[in-house]
This record gives sequence, C-alpha cells and structure tokens, in this order.
Amino acid sequence: DGGITQSPKYLFRKEGQNVTLSCEQNLNHDAMYWYRQDPGQGLRLIYYSQIVNDFQKGDIAEGYSVSREKKESFPLTVTSAQKNPTAFYLCASSAFVSNEKLFFGSGTQLSVL
Amino acid sequence: DAKTTQPTSMDCAEGRAANLPCNHSTISGNEYVYWYRQIHSQGPQYIIHGLKNNETNEMASLIITEDRKSSTLILPHATLRDTAVYYCIVPPFGTGANNLFFGTGTRLTVIP
Repeated sequence: DGGITQSPKYLFRKEGQNVTLSCEQNLNHDAMYWYRQDPGQGLRLIYYSQIVNDFQKGDIAEGYSVSREKKESFPLTVTSAQKNPTAFYLCASSAFVSNEKLFFGSGTQLSVL
Repeated sequence: DAKTTQPTSMDCAEGRAANLPCNHSTISGNEYVYWYRQIHSQGPQYIIHGLKNNETNEMASLIITEDRKSSTLILPHATLRDTAVYYCIVPPFGTGANNLFFGTGTRLTVIP
C-alpha cells in the first residue's frame, strides 16, 4: 500500500525537551512538506524539501528543524525553542514541488506535559 | 494570488447532493482550482482540480463558471463519511505546492 506514514500518532513533550516526529513515504515522491494545524485553524507550512539533502523554511520555521538524508524520510524535530508546540502536525508529499496534488499522512498530535 | 471565499459551514441530508461554493474572483487565467477535504483528526485528502472545464472523478464533480470567478464542488450522493472540512485552493501559478494555502474551509455536516 503506497502512502505516507507518520509516527507516533500521539506524542508528549516535557519542558526543555526536543522531540522528533517521523514521516516516511513510499510513493517515490521528490517533494515533502511539514505543516502545523492548531484547533479550528487551517494549515501552516513549517518546512519543505524539494529533493534529498535540500530543504527550505516555510512560514513558521522558528523552533523547528528538519533533515532530508533519504528520499523516503523527512523527520521534523520540535526543539525546546518552540514555546507553543501543542498542535496537530501533518506531513505531506508530492511528485515534485511543482505538482500541487499533495498526499498527506494521518498526523501526529503533540502535547506538552 | 487568488484569494478564495467559502461559507464557514453547510449541512446536507444524507443521500442528497452536496453543493459547496467557492468564490475566487481575482483568479488569473492560468491558475487552477483545487479542492481538498479533511476528515476530523486526519490529514487532508485531494479531491479534484480544474482549470476551466468541468471535471468529474470518482469522488466529486467540479463546476467552474465561464468567467472562472467561482466554482462549485458537487458530491452527488452525500454519505455520513463525507462530513469534513472542504478546502478550495487557488495556488499562484508556477509557484508550487509549497504555496497551497489551506485556510479554514467549509465545514460540511451530512445529516442522517
């Protein structure tokens, strides 16, 4: 079954702790994206990657970091610098960044203890 | 880039057609209209997109007015599983998927 897998489904962060959200795709897509969604709100772009070993900041990159060492994987780290990390995080991919048909994972709900 | 306007919420009876409108009066001639939906606590799902001709797939139909200033997404026989937030998006031409703006959309509730 081709698609995007995000893990874990739920994650809890303690004060001052970094946490990493996993995103894996087997669609052979070049481009991958991370979004944040707050309750009742739309999606905001955190980071995106057009190709392996390349990534660009989105609209709200502060307090987050990413890596793209493999085509299939685009993990997101929520650092301690992100003071309000509680949100629903969504990973997506598209064949190329110019292709606007996105495929999304099922999301990770991050909460602060 | 073309801003879109959608109603905040709509109801539809199960089995009836759901018609979701979207205004995009500033759309440029080469900009596409995309529709996605998001079921609660899941990731958005692509539905359909179009430029100027009407489009249909297994999920829905997209009707774009001749002047392209508005469109309607039609779910022909709504089921309870169609309850979701529906996003109408018009990305700036040639700027890529990193410029898809998912706003607050239309919350469709299908009523038994």
